[in-house]
Amino acid sequence: ETGVTQSPTHLIKTRGQQVTLRCSSQSGHNTVSWYQQALGQGPQFIFQYYREEENGRGNFPPRFSGLQFPNYSSELNVNALELDDSALYLCASSSGGGNYGYTFGSGTRLTVV
Amino acid sequence: DQQVKQNSPSLSVQEGRISILNCDYTNSMFDYFLWYKKYPAEGPTFLISISSIKDKNEDGRFTVFLNKSAKHLSLHIVPSQPGDSAVYFCAADQNSGGYQKVTFGTGTKLQVIP
Repeated sequence: ETGVTQSPTHLIKTRGQQVTLRCSSQSGHNTVSWYQQALGQGPQFIFQYYREEENGRGNFPPRFSGLQFPNYSSELNVNALELDDSALYLCASSSGGGNYGYTFGSGTRLTVV
Repeated sequence: DQQVKQNSPSLSVQEGRISILNCDYTNSMFDYFLWYKKYPAEGPTFLISISSIKDKNEDGRFTVFLNKSAKHLSLHIVPSQPGDSAVYFCAADQNSGGYQKVTFGTGTKLQVIP
């Protein structure tokens, strides 16, 4: 059974640009969530997708958007990048959450300059 | 509004002794509480969870205690091993309008000294 894989591992972008981050869910997991982890902070919930629909969103502006595909893989898109968007972006998949926890990928380190 | 708080940014423990990591929360609607361990350059790894209706859950060397009246939970690691050195995140899971929303604390860096 494969885990959650994210690509790329590192990325440098210029302020104002757009970025797409990718995530392949663990086999059998139909729910994917994206988190932003700033330096010294815990992961902050961005949004969650279930069966290709966004079914929950945290306190992030609309320039953060996503997609989930029929194979349950997912993308996170960020438009008009700002310096404060520099962070580790984590993808997590689950088959229902709750007390089963989530399986996280290793993350994409985004640096905006 | 930090709903899940880990007030100790770091903790050092001798190998073989007990490690106690603490977490406080403010939202009484959380359904589950979870602990994750994170090594550098890796994503968080799920460690152990506890339902809000329980007060203790044990898995090998790891035990989580929940005190609902105090809105406090703790993770005990006995005996501590050098491989346990990592950042530990406390997290709380809540059904929020049809989806499970997980709120994380800021983490506690545990160092187990050989």
